[in-house]
Amino acid sequence: ILNVEQSPQSLHVQEGDSTNFTCSFPSSNFYALHWYRWETAKSPEALFVMTLNGDEKKKGRISATLNTKEGYSYLYIKGSQPEDSATYLCALYSNYQLIWGAGTKLIIKP
Amino acid sequence: DAMVIQNPRYQVTQFGKPVTLSCSQTLNHNVMYWYQQKSSQAPKLLFHYYDKDFNNEADTPDNFQSRRPNTSFCFLDIRSPGLGDAAMYLCATSDTDRGYEKLFFGSGTQLSVL
Repeated sequence: ILNVEQSPQSLHVQEGDSTNFTCSFPSSNFYALHWYRWETAKSPEALFVMTLNGDEKKKGRISATLNTKEGYSYLYIKGSQPEDSATYLCALYSNYQLIWGAGTKLIIKP
Repeated sequence: DAMVIQNPRYQVTQFGKPVTLSCSQTLNHNVMYWYQQKSSQAPKLLFHYYDKDFNNEADTPDNFQSRRPNTSFCFLDIRSPGLGDAAMYLCATSDTDRGYEKLFFGSGTQLSVL
């Protein structure tokens, strides 16, 4: 059974500080890695879909890196703002299935 | 403009009383998914449709059924809800079921079972 781990489970960050968190996954049979942001009372929204080892993607103050050989992806948020408060989910596509992590809940303190 | 719409946002039902959750999409996507998510856990795929082809996950209880009468709509029927079925139910769509395509989600239905 494939398992996707996200750490930490929750994170409190001061407004203006930068932060990062991790998605770990089995490196065998890798096909794609997804990141989603889920704000309270809203729909989960796709941030990135990454497929290539060493890939880096950026969307505004948010960026992600991917290491398929060692089985991890980092999500970085630069200069956190209150609107960044959300749960960040990653999901691994492998063996024709999308396997989700339990998410990292990010709370930005003003 | 919401592209995947779930109704209702909150649903309360009684133990054993059948309940139906609905999802509609304006994206004309081929694939529609139903996920169950309990607090602080990973979303769990219940089933998905590729067009009219129904794909049930092996560990989805028989208590959960689904219908997709047309491209736009998909329903989740819980025949006899138990206390353990209280959860957030998320509907999602994608154009294909290839892993490099992102999913589009509705805002979910939070189900309570009394």
